[in-house]
Amino acid sequence: QSALTQPASVSGSPGQSITISCTGTSSDVGSYDFVSWYQQYPGKAPKLVIYEGSKRPSGVSNRFSGSKSGNTASLTISGLQAEDEADYYCCSYAGSGTFVFGGGTAVTVL
Amino acid sequence: QITLKESGPTLVKPTQTLTLTCAFSGFSLRTSGMGVGWFRQPPGRALEWLALIYWDDDKRYSPSLKSRLTITKDTSKNRVVLTLANMDPVDTATYFCAHLDMPTAEYSFDFWGQGTLVTVSS
Repeated sequence: QSALTQPASVSGSPGQSITISCTGTSSDVGSYDFVSWYQQYPGKAPKLVIYEGSKRPSGVSNRFSGSKSGNTASLTISGLQAEDEADYYCCSYAGSGTFVFGGGTAVTVL
Repeated sequence: QITLKESGPTLVKPTQTLTLTCAFSGFSLRTSGMGVGWFRQPPGRALEWLALIYWDDDKRYSPSLKSRLTITKDTSKNRVVLTLANMDPVDTATYFCAHLDMPTAEYSFDFWGQGTLVTVSS
């Protein structure tokens, strides 16, 4: 069970859209529609922003959207704002009741 | 309102067993579909899933740590306990617990505790 692959960093200017990729395998991302995304500020707990690949929890901005193609899931943040500067982690169900996380992506708002 | 809070030692010695408690409120592990998971995050590094216990006492563990981990629940006290045996300095991390609600959001963790930093050092 290897970690999912995310870019170490992504940046964008305010108002722009950015996309964070999360690449797994046919044993995790490719097999299940259970990818979740978490936003984490330094020293804070993670916050769920996308679940089941593309669904937003109540209270999460509609600027966050999720999708999947094959073994790669993606998180898109549109209309980038300063408050979006944080670390983002993807997590996939990997079968047999187990989970695997990505290495995390630091988002910088220029 | 769902809340979770982790507690346990801040410092453990190598080879010792770590015992962490997750005290929660706002839901019950008697309710079908509920679960509590444990995670950790070494300083400056990524999140890692460790274990999960469901309302029906089904228990799941990270394959890489399965031999060292034990997760249990005390439904009457709304607590989940995680033990990690044979601690090593590489186990130094912030440990989090989080809520799982399968009927609402399958295989995702919607409420998290604040985390507790555990340092392994002699």
